[in-house]
Amino acid sequence: GNSVTQMEGPVTLSEEAFLTINCTYTATGYPSLFWYVQYPGEGLQLLLKATKADDKGSNKGFEATYRKETTSFHLEKGSVQVSDSAVYFCALSERAGNQFYFGTGTSLTVIP
Amino acid sequence: DTAVSQTPKYLVTQMGNDKSIKCEQNLGHDTMYWYKQDSKKFLKIMFSYNNKELIINETVPNRFSPKSPDKAHLNLHINSLELGDSAVYFCASSPRDSLGEQYFGPGTRLTVT
Repeated sequence: GNSVTQMEGPVTLSEEAFLTINCTYTATGYPSLFWYVQYPGEGLQLLLKATKADDKGSNKGFEATYRKETTSFHLEKGSVQVSDSAVYFCALSERAGNQFYFGTGTSLTVIP
Repeated sequence: DTAVSQTPKYLVTQMGNDKSIKCEQNLGHDTMYWYKQDSKKFLKIMFSYNNKELIINETVPNRFSPKSPDKAHLNLHINSLELGDSAVYFCASSPRDSLGEQYFGPGTRLTVT
């Protein structure tokens, strides 16, 4: 079956530190991969996506590359800001069936 | 303009009561969803509707019943509320052939006392 596994949090970083949040997936077909972000008190927002192997999604300084060989989609940012404090969700969608699978979320706190 | 809206934002009620949460999207999307997020932020899909037709119904108690009067609305009715129903409920929508991109509402925090 399909599933998404992401690193457990919480993660606490100082401002301008490098961020990596690991995400690996299991899929039966050819999924699309996503990172969603949830700021405090809000709903989830799409941060970035990649629809096929070797694609790189990027937005707001965040990047993630779809690695089929390692079934991974790790989220990275070179220099985090206090405003990046949020919960980050890795997600998978199969093209057929419109099924979605979310990881458990990783809470990030960035301190000044 | 709010893309996906939910009402109410907060809902406090007693065990045994029946309540509804409303969701509306003005994006013209074909598919709508209900998710439950627990206190540990774990997100679980409950229902998915495509053009008013149920396509996903995860293992949720039958006290939960979705109602889709039209493509733009997906309401969630909960009967005989229990303490364990306390959570944040999110509505979401996605266009046809979106390859997974979903648009979430702001959430409804339900507290059952």
